[in-house]
Amino acid sequence: GAGVSQTPSNKVTEKGKYVELRCDPISGHTALYWYRQSLGQGPEFLIYFQGTGAADDSGLPNDRFFAVRPEGSVSTLKIQRTERGDSAVYLCASSLGQGATEAFFGQGTRLTVV
Amino acid sequence: GNSVTQMEGPVTLSEEAFLTINCTYTATGYPSLFWYVQYPGEGLQLLLKATKADDKGSNKGFEATYRKETTSFHLEKGSVQVSDSAVYFCALSSGGSNYKLTFGKGTLLTVNP
Repeated sequence: GAGVSQTPSNKVTEKGKYVELRCDPISGHTALYWYRQSLGQGPEFLIYFQGTGAADDSGLPNDRFFAVRPEGSVSTLKIQRTERGDSAVYLCASSLGQGATEAFFGQGTRLTVV
Repeated sequence: GNSVTQMEGPVTLSEEAFLTINCTYTATGYPSLFWYVQYPGEGLQLLLKATKADDKGSNKGFEATYRKETTSFHLEKGSVQVSDSAVYFCALSSGGSNYKLTFGKGTLLTVNP
């Protein structure tokens, strides 16, 4: 596709449930990033993939959060036992490589935990 | 650790007014600095960037100069348009890998006709 695609655009789930958020990066982009944006805040880094491997997952808040990118393209962010505090917009971005290269962002998935 | 502090919003201007959105940063090493913009209903887009001290980034009439002595990267535009209404984020990346962006909280700009 022309840009980074994230699905679903909105997700409402009950506290304690499991959710998966999907990101389709721009074709050919080897680097992929997940960020979380809470209301009134700027995006906060969660995890960075270079190819299939998670090069830096230091931003994941706890072990309920996990992300995969098995074939080096599509990535899935997985959240177990969701809590109300997980409610936020989850942003995905991709770039040609690491360094000061432009990162292209998707429109995000708005997750609401009720 | 790295941090970015940007001007609290919201900012409301009339068309053709001068815009400044202040941004200061704290970082280790020599960061790259960015301004991202988010138009209503769209994803974050890179507006401009500067990778070393005294560099000036510019795009769409917006400018920002990397000032190492004041650790600042203020965004300016001489004459704003209604279509500039958006949320603006200052950001930096630093460290050897230079991939992880640290964002400010964002500033909502509304331009009235």
